[in-house]
Amino acid sequence: NAGVTQTPKFRVLKTGQSMTLLCAQDMNHEYMYWYRQDPGMGLRLIHYSVGEGTTAKGEVPDGYNVSRLKKQNFLLGLESAAPSQTSVYFCASTHWNSPLHFGNGTRLTVT
Amino acid sequence: AQSVTQLGSHVSVSEGALVLLRCNYSSSVPPYLFWYVQYPNQGLQLLLKYTSAATLVKGINGFEAEFKKSETSFHLTKPSAHMSDAAEYFCAVSDMDSNYQLIWGAGTKLIIKP
Repeated sequence: NAGVTQTPKFRVLKTGQSMTLLCAQDMNHEYMYWYRQDPGMGLRLIHYSVGEGTTAKGEVPDGYNVSRLKKQNFLLGLESAAPSQTSVYFCASTHWNSPLHFGNGTRLTVT
Repeated sequence: AQSVTQLGSHVSVSEGALVLLRCNYSSSVPPYLFWYVQYPNQGLQLLLKYTSAATLVKGINGFEAEFKKSETSFHLTKPSAHMSDAAEYFCAVSDMDSNYQLIWGAGTKLIIKP
């Protein structure tokens, strides 16, 4: 049982480049989340989804887009990367009123 | 608005000593409270949660936390630290006002001295 899988694990981008982070879960969870983690700031919610075909903005959505075309996948896109988007990105999934299950993170550096 | 304050970005204790990680929250309605742990290069995993049942909550790996409404606190404790407890610990709150989205503290890195 893989749980939540994030790809890639590491990525280096130049300013202005684009990329997509993939999150896949095999637990049939309705809810999926993208967070970024920065030192001393805890986790900040970027976007989330409460079901296939639905997405919503979190605390820090600017510069990111998401899609949930299939229940098991939640994609996070950066259209034009900026150095301020250097961070560790975590995907999580859950059922209603259940603990979050996290992936192991994607470490992104934008130069 | 909800918020979570974790006192101390780093806490250092000797192996075998008491672990105390502090968490204070603000919430105008009954909250759900959580502690998560993050080991190096991994995602977060749930240690324990409070959901309005018993105020003393027992979690995995010998950790427990006590909900104190009068102090708006949910401190995490373990009687005797082990080297394997070295990790970063996050407190989080959710309630009806946040639409049950988690609001996270900044985290406390626990360092265990041999």
